[in-house]
Amino acid sequence: QKEVEQDPGPLSVPEGAIVSLNCTYSNSAFQYFMWYRQYSRKGPELLMYTYSSGNKEDGRFTAQVDKSSKYISLFIRDSQPSDSATYLCAMRGSGKLIFGQGTELSVKP
Amino acid sequence: ETGVTQTPRHLVMGMTNKKSLKCEQHLGHNAMYWYKQSAKKPLELMFVYSLEERVENNSVPSRFSPECPNSSHLFLHLHTLQPEDSALYLCASSQEGIAGYTFGSGTRLTVV
Repeated sequence: QKEVEQDPGPLSVPEGAIVSLNCTYSNSAFQYFMWYRQYSRKGPELLMYTYSSGNKEDGRFTAQVDKSSKYISLFIRDSQPSDSATYLCAMRGSGKLIFGQGTELSVKP
Repeated sequence: ETGVTQTPRHLVMGMTNKKSLKCEQHLGHNAMYWYKQSAKKPLELMFVYSLEERVENNSVPSRFSPECPNSSHLFLHLHTLQPEDSALYLCASSQEGIAGYTFGSGTRLTVV
């Protein structure tokens, strides 16, 4: 079993839709949870960071962590064509960062 | 310059060539990483350097040789590569006490 599982998609939605991206994990020692966004031909950039359980909101983006279920989510409200990218979840305990496979998102005008 | 800078952005090399990828971080971080990203596959961690010392080598073939001369610079020396080595090579850096990594834009490598 992989430490981090993420549906690779691709996911295609119309502009304005609410997008839900998810990851599950198996290591209960993970405490730091991140979402990276990667545009085509670019490196990943840190989008959201959450420590332990709970929600964090930044504009149209909301990150949720449920440690009891070992499940994290990223919600994008009012999605825009500029949100089209690959979204990677990442998490760590005291060791190195472990990445999910990435979900490819396309937002159609 | 800010962040993590990688050069060249694109590289085409023959299987018998020798080339090097360069990474420079301007963030004062104390750890640096090389990742390989192939199409439709997860990021593959290749090497980790902490305080200029290699602390991890994930069973990477010897045709890839890393070098970290100081905490700001990281190189990946390439020789006698195979076509399956064609991928996006990403450099990242981090600082103890900060959870995330900062990535460069990558070098798109094509082996012909």
